[in-house]
Amino acid sequence: SAVISQKPSRDICQRGTSLTIQCQVDSQVTMMFWYRQQPGQSLTLIATANQGSEATYESGFVIDKFPISRPNLTFSTLTVSNMSPEDSSIYLCSVEDGGKQAIEETQYFGPGTRLLVL
Amino acid sequence: QKEVEQDPGPLSVPEGAIVSLNCTYSNSAFQYFMWYRQYSRKGPELLMYTYSSGNKEDGRFTAQVDKSSKYISLFIRDSQPSDSATYLCAMSSSSGGSYIPTFGRGTSLIVHP
Repeated sequence: SAVISQKPSRDICQRGTSLTIQCQVDSQVTMMFWYRQQPGQSLTLIATANQGSEATYESGFVIDKFPISRPNLTFSTLTVSNMSPEDSSIYLCSVEDGGKQAIEETQYFGPGTRLLVL
Repeated sequence: QKEVEQDPGPLSVPEGAIVSLNCTYSNSAFQYFMWYRQYSRKGPELLMYTYSSGNKEDGRFTAQVDKSSKYISLFIRDSQPSDSATYLCAMSSSSGGSYIPTFGRGTSLIVHP
């Protein structure tokens, strides 16, 4: 199974600033995802990040607000730009190992980054 | 109407009780049905999955899928305080070889001694 770490684990930021969240995986994976989990809401996919290509954003999320990098097969970053209190949420990195046949081996989540914007 | 509906709870039960967690969905293209468990301050972990309709059992956990009713369930037998967590249902249609799931809101379960 893939082991995923995220940095920072939590942060408190001022409105108008930006925060970059790092996601590190202990093995090479084909697909990485960034999710947002707001209180009382379902996990919402922000974007899919494949190495060597531009991230694909879901409806309601744009690259200017959430720029993503995927420089190699074990690492990705998500930046939350020009933050407002509405961006306060848990941000989760997830990976899918496309080399596995069974679905139970494919989906893993990081521990999350808890962001509070004042 | 959301694609996946799940009662957020909280659901509070005594230790040893049988727990029933449920989700309904509207997209008939969903083929993979998953349950994730999320402990406080942790990321979700895949607990069980079922392909198409039917039941799947793993220890104290049983997952059921009724595609005709667009309804899925997770049963926990002999519930333990360590089962206290948020349980998220998720569904996928395996588009293009990827299993990107659509999640429910999660149900908070509290098992008290």
